[in-house]
Amino acid sequence: QVQLQESGPGLVKPSQTLSLTCTVFGGSISSGGYYWSWIRQHPGKGLEWIGYIYYSGTTYYNPSLKSRVTISVDTSKNQFSLKLSSVTAADTAVYYCARSYCSSISCYVEEWGQGTLVSVSS
Amino acid sequence: QSALTQPPSVSGSPGQSVTISCTGTSSDVGSYNRVSWYQQPPGTAPKLMIYEVSNRPSGVPDRFSGSKSGNTASLTISGLQAEDEADYYCTSYTSSSTLVFGGGTKLTVL
Repeated sequence: QVQLQESGPGLVKPSQTLSLTCTVFGGSISSGGYYWSWIRQHPGKGLEWIGYIYYSGTTYYNPSLKSRVTISVDTSKNQFSLKLSSVTAADTAVYYCARSYCSSISCYVEEWGQGTLVSVSS
Repeated sequence: QSALTQPPSVSGSPGQSVTISCTGTSSDVGSYNRVSWYQQPPGTAPKLMIYEVSNRPSGVPDRFSGSKSGNTASLTISGLQAEDEADYYCTSYTSSSTLVFGGGTKLTVL
C-alpha cells in the first residue's frame, strides 16, 4: 500500500515562494500509469486541482495557476515537489500530494497524503 | 477551466437514498467516462469512492453507485447510514489533459 507524506514550511511570507515536497513510501514513483498530483483545499472550502507530473517529467497544470506553479520529480529520492511563486493570503490552504492513475480510459486520484496546512502571512 | 457544478448540500434519513449531481461541459464530463467521486469526512483526507463513472474500488460498499448522462454525472447512496455524513466531491478529466473538481456537496444524515 503506497503512502505519501508532505513536508515543508507551514508559514510563508507574502510574495515569496511556497515549496513543498512529497515523499512516496511503499511504491516506486517511476511506476508507469501514475501521475503524481498536488491538490489544495482552502479553509472551509472545496478541493482545487493544482497539477500533476509523470515520472518522465511531463507536467500538466491548472490554467488558473499555471503562471506561478512548478511541479518537479526526483526519481532517485522517490519524491516530487511543488513550488508556487508570488504567494498571497489567498494561497493559504491545506496542500495534499496524491497519486493519480491515468490511462486511455481512466484518470482518478487513488491515494492521498494526509495534507499539510500552509499559511501565508507576514 | 471552471469547477464542476454540485449542489451545496443534500440530506436524507437513515435507510433512504440520496443522489448528488455533478454537471460539467462537453469538454469534460460530457466527453469522458473519467469521472470519479470522493468522500471527505471532517478533518480527513478525501477517499476515492467511485472511478470511471460507476466502478467501486475494493472495500467501498455497494450502497454507493455512479452514473452519467450527457454532461451530468451522479452519485447515489442508498440505505443511508450515519457514517455516510461527509462532503462529497466529483472530478473529471478534461480535454486539456487536466483534472477539474466539483465544488463539493455536504451530505447530512438526519
